[in-house]
Amino acid sequence: QTVVTQEPSFSVSPGGTVTLTCGLSSGSVSTSDSPSWYQQTPGQAPRMLIYSTNTRSSGVPDRFSGSILGNKAALSITGAQADDESDYYCMLYMGSGIYVFGTGTKVTVL
Amino acid sequence: EVQLVESGGGLVQPGGSLRLSCAASRFTFSEYWMHWVRQAPGEGLLWVSRINPDGSDTTYADSVKGRFTISRDNAKNTLYLQMDSLRAEDTAVYYCARVVQLEPWALDSWGQGTLVTVSS
Repeated sequence: QTVVTQEPSFSVSPGGTVTLTCGLSSGSVSTSDSPSWYQQTPGQAPRMLIYSTNTRSSGVPDRFSGSILGNKAALSITGAQADDESDYYCMLYMGSGIYVFGTGTKVTVL
Repeated sequence: EVQLVESGGGLVQPGGSLRLSCAASRFTFSEYWMHWVRQAPGEGLLWVSRINPDGSDTTYADSVKGRFTISRDNAKNTLYLQMDSLRAEDTAVYYCARVVQLEPWALDSWGQGTLVTVSS
């Protein structure tokens, strides 16, 4: 069974930069996996930030960016703000109509 | 603005059944792939199922295959999830979500979720 792995947690200072990654338990993530990224705060529905590896969703600040770094998908937050404190999930398309979410990363801004 | 409103959640005994609904509005529902995603208390997101615009193509996560059925009624702008043989581990908030048009591998609009609790 494929596991999509993310760092459990990250801490970033206000104004700082943090890069979250999304990897596969076996193999590499590529653009053909159509990585997307979601932000979720407690008690709220997820909000899409990035789709198709690096396309920002409408209304998403440009301090959020997506890329492929080595063999993983990556989400960078540049100039972190207090309201970026959230859980972040990646999702990959595994083919044959199957999708898998990553394990999630809790980002703290302090 | 796109609106997705889930309903039908509640308390059900193990082995029981429940049907969730997701009422869609403010977009042309019949043109979009739709998904169900769930989140157990304190846990991460888990993709459950997806359906194509005309309902002829469905896929499921291994954990629910054979027990859950996704369907849609385009005349009623409503997505469904029939859940049978429910287990304690199916306890979660269930979200319906719409895909990005022309890039149907990401979920750009989500409902607020409905809580399903499986317990005796």
